[in-house]
Amino acid sequence: AQSVTQLDSQVPVFEEAPVELRCNYSSSVSVYLFWYVQYPNQGLQLLLKYLSGSTLVKGINGFEAEFNKSQTSFHLRKPSVHISDTAEYFCAVSAAGNAGKSTFGDGTTLTVKP
Amino acid sequence: DVKVTQSSRYLVKRTGEKVFLECVQDMDHENMFWYRQDPGLGLRLIYFSYDVKMKEKGDIPEGYSVSREKKERFSLILESASTNQTSMYLCASSSHQRRRSNQPQHFGDGTRLSIL
Repeated sequence: AQSVTQLDSQVPVFEEAPVELRCNYSSSVSVYLFWYVQYPNQGLQLLLKYLSGSTLVKGINGFEAEFNKSQTSFHLRKPSVHISDTAEYFCAVSAAGNAGKSTFGDGTTLTVKP
Repeated sequence: DVKVTQSSRYLVKRTGEKVFLECVQDMDHENMFWYRQDPGLGLRLIYFSYDVKMKEKGDIPEGYSVSREKKERFSLILESASTNQTSMYLCASSSHQRRRSNQPQHFGDGTRLSIL
C-alpha cells in the first residue's frame, strides 16, 4: 500500500514571492507521482507528473516539482506566484501495477495575497 | 481535450431517498472512479471500475453502489441517503495502458450533494 502526506494544510504567501508545497510519500514498490490543482467550484486538473527519467519536472502555469527518491519527496515549487494561483493543491501517488488507482494527499490551500 | 461531465453541479435530497449521480466521459477511457471530497480529508475513493460491468470497492464503499453498463458512463448510487453522505462527489477517468498506473486522472467539476 502507498500513502501521501502533504506537510502543510495552508500556505499563505504574498504575490510575486516564491512558494514550495511539500509532499512526502511512502510505497514498497516504484511509484508515479502527480500534482493536481483545484480552483474553487471546479474539479481537479493535472499540473505535472513524474513517471521516470529526469527528476525535475516542469508543469503548467510555471510550476515545477522535484522527485527525490532518497527522501521520498515530491515538492512543488513556483519562483513567483500570482493572485490567480490561489487554489487547493493535491499531491497523488500511484504504485506500479495498481491498475490506475491513485492515493491523494489531504490537500494544501495556497492563498496568494496582494 | 478529455471531458468528464457530471450530470448535476448541485443536488438536494432527503434522508432515505435513493440518489443517482451520473458521470460521462468522452475519451474512451477504460478506468473510471468515484471519490468524495470533504474538508481536511482530501479525496477518498468510493468505487473504481476498470471495464464495463467491472467494479472494485475503494476505501469507503459502505452505503454506496455503482453501475457501469456502458464504457462511457459510470453511475454512483446512494441506496438510502443519510445526512453523513452530504459531500462533494467527484468523478474521474483515466486511460488503461495495460493496467499500468502512470496515466493521470481527468476529473469532472463535481456534484455538491446535500442530504436534508
